[in-house]
Amino acid sequence: AQKVTQAQTEISVVEKEDVTLDCVYETRDTTYYLFWYKQPPSGELVFLIRRNSFDEQNEISGRYSWNFQKSTSSFNFTITASQVVDSAVYFCALSEAWGSARQLTFGSGTQLTVLP
Amino acid sequence: KAGVTQTPRYLIKTRGQQVTLSCSPISGHRSVSWYQQTPGQGLQFLFEYFSETQRNKGNFPGRFSGRQFSNSRSEMNVSTLELGDSALYLCASSPEVEGEKLFFGSGTQLSVL
Repeated sequence: AQKVTQAQTEISVVEKEDVTLDCVYETRDTTYYLFWYKQPPSGELVFLIRRNSFDEQNEISGRYSWNFQKSTSSFNFTITASQVVDSAVYFCALSEAWGSARQLTFGSGTQLTVLP
Repeated sequence: KAGVTQTPRYLIKTRGQQVTLSCSPISGHRSVSWYQQTPGQGLQFLFEYFSETQRNKGNFPGRFSGRQFSNSRSEMNVSTLELGDSALYLCASSPEVEGEKLFFGSGTQLSVL
């Protein structure tokens, strides 16, 4: 069975601080996908990144960066120089690479509040 | 390109009633998935449809059903509503290439009284 754990329920930072959201996963699959989604107050989940289990390269996209470590089953997400608009709930998710790739297992989410 | 559209945005029903939610995927997307989001259980996968066929199903009772039409639009139905069915129901569509990338709608907030 797959499981995603986001131990941080809520995080509050002041604007311009860096913040890291933790994600730990469990799966028996050797090939899988990891995701981060953002859910603003409007409700829709916004896709941020997908990482294939074969690709352990870290990725940076603007102020966002992701650190994937297979050895510790972690896929952490860092926002550099946070802004008020980053306030949202962030979800880490996991899926099989084949067949049920659209059947995501989500973590419980981390509520990020960025204060001005 | 228009995003995923879900209607209605809000719905109030009473126990025992049934409800139908609608989802129009992004043009060209043939896969539609449904998720339930509650404060207690979080986000849970309901089912996925592709080319009018249910391809995967989550661990929900038979009261939850869905279908997909030839234009890829999808509906989900919940019969004999229970208080615990109160939730945000999210629909997502995905393309054939990079199909694991889901594009979500804003959801239908269902309240069962």
